[in-house]
Amino acid sequence: EPEVTQTPSHQVTQMGQEVILRCVPISNHLYFYWYRQILGQKVEFLVSFYNNEISEKSEIFDDQFSVERPDGSNFTLKIRSTKLEDSAMYFCASRRDSGNTIYFGEGSWLTVV
Amino acid sequence: KNQVEQSPQSLIILEGKNCTLQCNYTVSPFSNLRWYKQDTGRGPVSLTIMTFSENTKSNGRYTATLDADTKQSSLHITASQLSDSASYICVVSAFAAGNKLTFGGGTRVLVKP
Repeated sequence: EPEVTQTPSHQVTQMGQEVILRCVPISNHLYFYWYRQILGQKVEFLVSFYNNEISEKSEIFDDQFSVERPDGSNFTLKIRSTKLEDSAMYFCASRRDSGNTIYFGEGSWLTVV
Repeated sequence: KNQVEQSPQSLIILEGKNCTLQCNYTVSPFSNLRWYKQDTGRGPVSLTIMTFSENTKSNGRYTATLDADTKQSSLHITASQLSDSASYICVVSAFAAGNKLTFGGGTRVLVKP
């Protein structure tokens, strides 16, 4: 079965450093998402991406965050200057079109120290 | 504000027994409702997806119901197995740019032998 892949699976970074989380969505999918889940809390929406632009973003997704689809296969989330409260599991997700199942990656666990 | 509430927060059941998880939502305009299974530290995996016109949908030992009038859904697990131990998350999608998902807090199920 096709799957969404994410790298790295776990990253530890110092506060203030830049982090890039990478995702390879399922190849024929058109909608891409980033979600995060702080330990013990519910999954939170960050951003959706369609047709090479952000279609919606949450209040969490401030100027510190950015997304890119640089080469038609990778979908990246960049955090410019990490804060302690950015420590969370970040999930990439994709789906083919409206109404279809959304497939999640296994997540990238980010620890900011 | 779109919200999804799940109950109970957690439950323990004996292997072989059945259980039912509840989900109430206030998402508008409603597009579809999904149940996901999330193992600890892993990405959510889709179990079922239901649109407005669907009352029930099954996936093996998992049966989801939807009452769009009362804005309630349930997930019934039949003949539970140890591998059913996980968090079960109700996720509701609204008709909006990118079909943003609103996640419930999940019900943590522990199946004991």
